[in-house]
Amino acid sequence: DIQLTQSPSFLSASVGDRVTITCRASQGISSYLAWYQQKPGKAPKLLIHAISTLQSGVPSRFSGSGSGTEFTLTISSLEPEDFATYYCQQLNKFPLTFGGGTKVESK
Amino acid sequence: QVQLVESGGGVVQPGRSLRLSCAASGFTFSHYCMNWVRQGPGKGLEWVAVIWSDGRNQYYADSVKGRFTISRDNSKNTLFLQMNSLRAEDTAVYYCVRVPAAGAPPYYYGMDVWGQGTTVTVSS
Repeated sequence: DIQLTQSPSFLSASVGDRVTITCRASQGISSYLAWYQQKPGKAPKLLIHAISTLQSGVPSRFSGSGSGTEFTLTISSLEPEDFATYYCQQLNKFPLTFGGGTKVESK
Repeated sequence: QVQLVESGGGVVQPGRSLRLSCAASGFTFSHYCMNWVRQGPGKGLEWVAVIWSDGRNQYYADSVKGRFTISRDNSKNTLFLQMNSLRAEDTAVYYCVRVPAAGAPPYYYGMDVWGQGTTVTVSS
């Protein structure tokens, strides 16, 4: 199975901060990496697919990058509505796996 | 609009069975792979199972293999998850999730549509 390790698990930040979350895969997953945002009590929402392609309607302050086994999600300037938990996911092969999540909290 | 609505969750004793349903609307259900993803209380996301758009193939997480069965009725735009021999560790919110693909991975477009989830609690 492909393991995904996200770091950090928790992150305290302020509105306006630049935030970076890392996702490392235990083996190469080509471009089949997605990022999701989840708010308490809600279903996850797809933000980015194929490493760096933003879903329609996702603000441009979100961006994704990386290749091979190391990937990042960046929020260029944190907005109040961005406090949430973020998950990466590999969709290269079964079993589909998620990272452990990164909770972005208000400092 | 595109929508997935799960139902069938509840409280069940260990060892018993439960069947979840997911009603799809707003898109051509028979064109898409469908999945179940779960989230235990205070935990992360865990992929559970997938079924091909035509229903001919299914794959499962090791944690549910042999106990859970995913199926679909394309004539009724409905996805199912039959859960047998339930354990306490199956307690979770279960999400019905669409993948823009018809069959095997890799999946380029991610999991783009999620239901609101249905809660399953396994407890005596």
